[in-house]
Amino acid sequence: AQKITQTQPGMFVQEKEAVTLDCTYDTSDPSYGLFWYKQPSSGEMIFLIYQGSYDQQNATEGRYSLNFQKARKSANLVISASQLGDSAMYFCAMRATGANSKLTFGKGITLSVRP
Amino acid sequence: DAGVIQSPRHEVTEMGQEVTLRCKPISGHNSLFWYRQTMMRGLELLIYFNNNVPIDDSGMPEDRFSAKMPNASFSTLKIQPSEPRDSAVYFCASSYSGIYNSPLHFGNGTRLTVT
Repeated sequence: AQKITQTQPGMFVQEKEAVTLDCTYDTSDPSYGLFWYKQPSSGEMIFLIYQGSYDQQNATEGRYSLNFQKARKSANLVISASQLGDSAMYFCAMRATGANSKLTFGKGITLSVRP
Repeated sequence: DAGVIQSPRHEVTEMGQEVTLRCKPISGHNSLFWYRQTMMRGLELLIYFNNNVPIDDSGMPEDRFSAKMPNASFSTLKIQPSEPRDSAVYFCASSYSGIYNSPLHFGNGTRLTVT
């Protein structure tokens, strides 16, 4: 079984500063993918970034990067140069390899960016 | 690409009525997922399909819920009879199956209110 843990309370960051959102996971699958999604107040789920369990380098997508520490089973999202539009709920999720794999989500973290 | 299309966006119904939610996945995607989101329980996977075949429906709360995927471009989630505790946002998502780095693409959701 897969489990995603996001335990941070609501996070606050000053505009233009960087912020790290924590995610730990547990799985017995040898190969898996980790995903981060953003859900703004409008409600849509927006895919941000992906990290494969065998990827040698940490994933980056614009201002988003993933601090992946496989031995510690953590996949923290780093948002650099925060913007007001980054205020949202952020979900970490995992998907194992295999044709019938599903995406398991954590409970999410609320991020508020202060001007 | 039009993305995942869900209808209706909002549904308000009375307890006991039948509710049908609809989803059109992204063309070419062969996995389809139905999620439910509430404040209390977060994002819950209800059921998912690969190549139109239901793979795992263990998340379906009870027999009042049913889902179908008659073809690759259409799926329905039906609740009969509906109850107030079914009030939630229901998301449909699609992806490529068997590719663990394939992210799920979500529709805008259906906000269901059962009075």
